[in-house]
Amino acid sequence: EIVLTQSPGTLSLSPGERATLSCRASQSVSSSYLAWYQQKPGQAPRLLIYGASSRATGIPDRFSGSGSGTDFTLTISRLEPEDFAVYYCQQYGSSPMTFGQGTKVEIK
Amino acid sequence: ELQLVESGGGLVQPGGSLRLSCAASGFTFSSYAMSWVRQAPGKGLEWVSAISGSGGSTYYADSVKGRFTVSRDISKNTLYLQMNSLRAEDTAVYYCAKGTYCSTTSCSKNYYMDVWGKGTTVTVSS
Repeated sequence: EIVLTQSPGTLSLSPGERATLSCRASQSVSSSYLAWYQQKPGQAPRLLIYGASSRATGIPDRFSGSGSGTDFTLTISRLEPEDFAVYYCQQYGSSPMTFGQGTKVEIK
Repeated sequence: ELQLVESGGGLVQPGGSLRLSCAASGFTFSSYAMSWVRQAPGKGLEWVSAISGSGGSTYYADSVKGRFTVSRDISKNTLYLQMNSLRAEDTAVYYCAKGTYCSTTSCSKNYYMDVWGKGTTVTVSS
């Protein structure tokens, strides 16, 4: 099973700042089959990024994904008030599908 | 509009059973793999089970294998999760999620999930 480790656990930033979230895999993720989700309190997760760098439908271009192999990054170029949430990475390159433990982006 | 609506959650005693349902609309249900993903209180996401578009292939996390059964009724556009021998550690919000497109010849068992329901809460406690 591939273990995904996200860092930092919590990121304290102000609106307008840049956020950089990391997701590291215990083994190489084949074909960059890595996704990112956003979850706000009391809501279901929302798909942001798939294939490591492809934005899902309707996702603003301030969200971008990069990386390959074992190291992946989600970048939010300029934080908007609605971006403060928990972010999860997920690998779907091998069974079982696994999620990281999440990074909380909070208002500083 | 693509929509998934879960139901069937509730309070159940350890060792008991529960069946969750997920009603799908807005897409061709039989053409897409589906998954159940759960989230324990204050914790992260855990994939639980998946099923192919036709229902012919099913997959389970080790933590639920032998206790949970996933199925789908294409005529009703509904996904199910039968949960038996429930334990306290099964307490969570259970989400159904839409996965990959399944052709007539292939359906990946691993995929990202692009549509999620709002979830249904399962509490296992005496």
